[in-house]
Amino acid sequence: GAGVSQTPSNKVTEKGKYVELRCDPISGHTALYWYRQSLGQGPEFLIYFQGTGAADDSGLPNDRFFAVRPEGSVSTLKIQRTERGDSAVYLCASSFMAGANTGELFFGEGSRLTVL
Amino acid sequence: QQQVKQSPQSLIVQKGGISIINCAYENTAFDYFPWYQQFPGKGPALLIAIRPDVSEKKEGRFTISFNKSAKQFSLHIMDSQPGDSATYFCAASGGTGNQFYFGTGTSLTVIP
Repeated sequence: GAGVSQTPSNKVTEKGKYVELRCDPISGHTALYWYRQSLGQGPEFLIYFQGTGAADDSGLPNDRFFAVRPEGSVSTLKIQRTERGDSAVYLCASSFMAGANTGELFFGEGSRLTVL
Repeated sequence: QQQVKQSPQSLIVQKGGISIINCAYENTAFDYFPWYQQFPGKGPALLIAIRPDVSEKKEGRFTISFNKSAKQFSLHIMDSQPGDSATYFCAASGGTGNQFYFGTGTSLTVIP
C-alpha cells in the first residue's frame, strides 16, 4: 500500500505486560514520528526519527517507553510494564522532508492499545 | 503547557452554513500552521496549511485566516456539508524543534 501502515490495529493487554507497536512508513520518507492520542484529545508528540536515529525523544513519558528504527524505515514503539494510563491510540506519521516545518505529515490509522 | 489552544471543543452547523474554528499560539518561532481533519477510526489527514508570510489561504471551501500580531489563526469552512462532519485539529511547528504541536480538537457536526 502507499500509505503509512500500523500494526496491530488493536491490542488488548494486561497491566504489567510488554507491548510492541509497529509502523511501516511511506517509502522514501526519512522522517518518522510517533504520537499518542487519548480520547477527546489532540495527538501528543512522543518521538521523532530522522533516518535511523531518534532526533528528538523529549515526548516519551518515562523510561518504560522506547522506540527504534534500525534500518531507517520500519519503526517499533516498545512499552514495558504497561499501565492502565498507557491506554490510547498510538499514531505513526511519516514525512518526506527533514524537519517538521517543511513537509506534510502522513498519518497511519493508529494502533489502539487497551491495558486492562 | 498547551502550545496551541483551540476552540470551540464542539460545533454544530446547519448544512450550507459557515463553520469557524479558532486557534492561538504563544511561540513566535512557529512558522508552519496546518489543519488536520480526522474521521472516526482514521488517522488525521492534512486539510490545508499556511505560513506566516500570508494572511489568508483558500483551497476550495476551506480558508485559513492568519493574524501574526495576535498569534491566532482560524479555519473557515464555507457551505458546510454533512460529509465535513469530523474532528478538526490545528497544529503548529517551527523554530529549533521538529515537533508538530496539536490543539485539542473540535468536533464538527453538520446537520442536513
